[in-house]
Amino acid sequence: NAGVTQTPKFQVLKTGQSMTLQCAQDMNHNSMYWYRQDPGMGLRLIYYSASEGTTDKGEVPNGYNVSRLNKREFSLRLESAAPSQTSVYFCASRGGWTANTGELFFGEGSRLTVL
Amino acid sequence: DQQVKQNSPSLSVQEGRISILNCDYTNSMFDYFLWYKKYPAEGPTFLISISSIKDKNEDGRFTVFLNKSAKHLSLHIVPSQPGDSAVYFCAAADSGGGADGLTFGKGTHLIIQP
Repeated sequence: NAGVTQTPKFQVLKTGQSMTLQCAQDMNHNSMYWYRQDPGMGLRLIYYSASEGTTDKGEVPNGYNVSRLNKREFSLRLESAAPSQTSVYFCASRGGWTANTGELFFGEGSRLTVL
Repeated sequence: DQQVKQNSPSLSVQEGRISILNCDYTNSMFDYFLWYKKYPAEGPTFLISISSIKDKNEDGRFTVFLNKSAKHLSLHIVPSQPGDSAVYFCAAADSGGGADGLTFGKGTHLIIQP
């Protein structure tokens, strides 16, 4: 079971460059999420997609765009990278709320450094 | 405004003893709480959860306690093992909020001493 797969795992960018982080899940989940993790800051939600064709801003959306390409794939794009976007990015998915469930399933993370 | 707070950045516990990790929340709409465990260079993995209709949930060595009136939850690990050394994140959600993501605390780094 692959679960949630993110690519690339590591990337170094120069300020102003653009890039796209890819995420795919094989669990047939409706909802997908992008979080960033910074030292001492925990996990903060960037964008999420409740279902195919919909996206919504999270806590820290500035400087990012997202695309829910289909039910499986949810990409995160940095149009003009800034050093403040140096972080570890996690994609996650969730099937929905049922009794006593609601957990997110996370990918392994993508470590991005912006010089 | 931090809605989920883990006030201890780190905690050191001797192997075999009980580890107690604490979490406080401020949003009264939260009704579902989770703990995640994270090893370096890996994604967070789900550990245990509790709904607000309960005050305790147990899974093997892990027990989560919820005190709704105090807006406080805790994770107990007993006995603590070396493999438990990791960062633990407390998370909360409003299950009526649809697909909104989880709100996470900043994490507590648990170190199990041999």
